[in-house]
Amino acid sequence: EAEVAQSPRYKITEKSQAVAFWCDPISGHATLYWYRQILGQGPELLVQFQDESVVDDSQLPKDRFSAERLKGVDSTLKIQPAELGDSAMYLCASSLEGTGFEAFFGQGTRLTVV
Amino acid sequence: GQSLEQPSEVTAVEGAIVQINCTYQTSGFYGLSWYQQHDGGAPTFLSYNALDGLEETGRFSSFLSRSDSYGYLLLQELQMKDSASYFCAVRGLRNTPLVFGKGTRLSVIA
Repeated sequence: EAEVAQSPRYKITEKSQAVAFWCDPISGHATLYWYRQILGQGPELLVQFQDESVVDDSQLPKDRFSAERLKGVDSTLKIQPAELGDSAMYLCASSLEGTGFEAFFGQGTRLTVV
Repeated sequence: GQSLEQPSEVTAVEGAIVQINCTYQTSGFYGLSWYQQHDGGAPTFLSYNALDGLEETGRFSSFLSRSDSYGYLLLQELQMKDSASYFCAVRGLRNTPLVFGKGTRLSVIA
């Protein structure tokens, strides 16, 4: 069964260091999302891609976060410098198109900033 | 912008029926979805409603009233494995991202 792949599963980093997360969506899925989820809360959108183009990055803290999906397939989310408040689960999801209601989520990267 | 409200916690007995409500405020409305997330796991899609009425998928049903900006998820014949967090998510306009509620933690007890 096709899955959204994310790596690493867990990451511990020191404050002010750079960190990167990788996501490989389900093959053929044009839409890719990065969400951040704080424990006990719902996922909050950081960025949405349609193929290689950014559709919505209004909630992405652009002073420290960046995201790219250069060839419209896999994607990288970077934080530089990391802050204590960035500790959260970072979830990648994909769907066939942006109008679909079914998004497939990866297992996420649990980030701890110390 | 969009906002969603759902109860933070619900407890129900194994074998019973439970309803999880969701009210939303959006500029535009394209549809309401429901996701389940077990502790430590990824959210998984359960159902969606784009039109008013009830959608049934096995033990799970979802209802939508667009005039009331309200929906609910109904879980029947509860099982212990249904203990999880349940999120409603709204898409305000076509091609806009899914916006999630804060989630309802369901505990199923014997």
